[in-house]
Amino acid sequence: GAVVSQHPSRVICKSGTSVKIECRSLDFQATTMFWYRQFPKQSLMLMATSNEGSKATYEQGVEKDKFLINHASLTLSTLTVTSAHPEDSSFYICSARDQLGTSEIYNEQFFGPGTRLTVL
Amino acid sequence: GQQLNQSPQSMFIQEGEDVSMNCTSSSIFNTWLWYKQDPGEGPVLLIALYKAGELTSNGRLTAQFGITRKDSFLNISASIPSDVGIYFCAGQLGANNLFFGTGTRLTVIP
Repeated sequence: GAVVSQHPSRVICKSGTSVKIECRSLDFQATTMFWYRQFPKQSLMLMATSNEGSKATYEQGVEKDKFLINHASLTLSTLTVTSAHPEDSSFYICSARDQLGTSEIYNEQFFGPGTRLTVL
Repeated sequence: GQQLNQSPQSMFIQEGEDVSMNCTSSSIFNTWLWYKQDPGEGPVLLIALYKAGELTSNGRLTAQFGITRKDSFLNISASIPSDVGIYFCAGQLGANNLFFGTGTRLTVIP
């Protein structure tokens, strides 16, 4: 149980285009999902916290108009990178927290497999 | 944001050897977590620690929550080739805030 999927796993796009990444909790409901970005050989940095039915909370330095987050259901959050540029190329990872708290680990976040974005 | 420093940055060990890595922070955390990340994958939780001084094991892995609540260590005993990967510590303050360390890249030589 507690599986999180992401789609697509890889995407290559041209500079200036927009890219949408989906994050789904497959077997549990998640009122809260998180979006992280990881540059090569670096750590995961939290970009934003996505709350079902309300606006996302963005970390300092993350442009909310560039990284649009929608969390329309308890099992799906989407991250849209608008007008992508080469510097947006990165590994984007989402996580989801089990709403019902069935995990033995308090407040455990279950991570997706990541989406590698390459902007040409 | 919070800065969590891990040491060493990378290590090369022979199969069968024990491994030890540390994580230190300038801030106090309520929860310490250790994750492993394989290339091109998301991190997977290994161990969670909730109390200062707590020592927890998961198979060949043992981790401790430092008394000061600003540090933690992870030990891996009798390493095997599949232990290869990047190990991240993470500190958590409340329900949401999860801050990752700089990572330790482990290579196990058969």
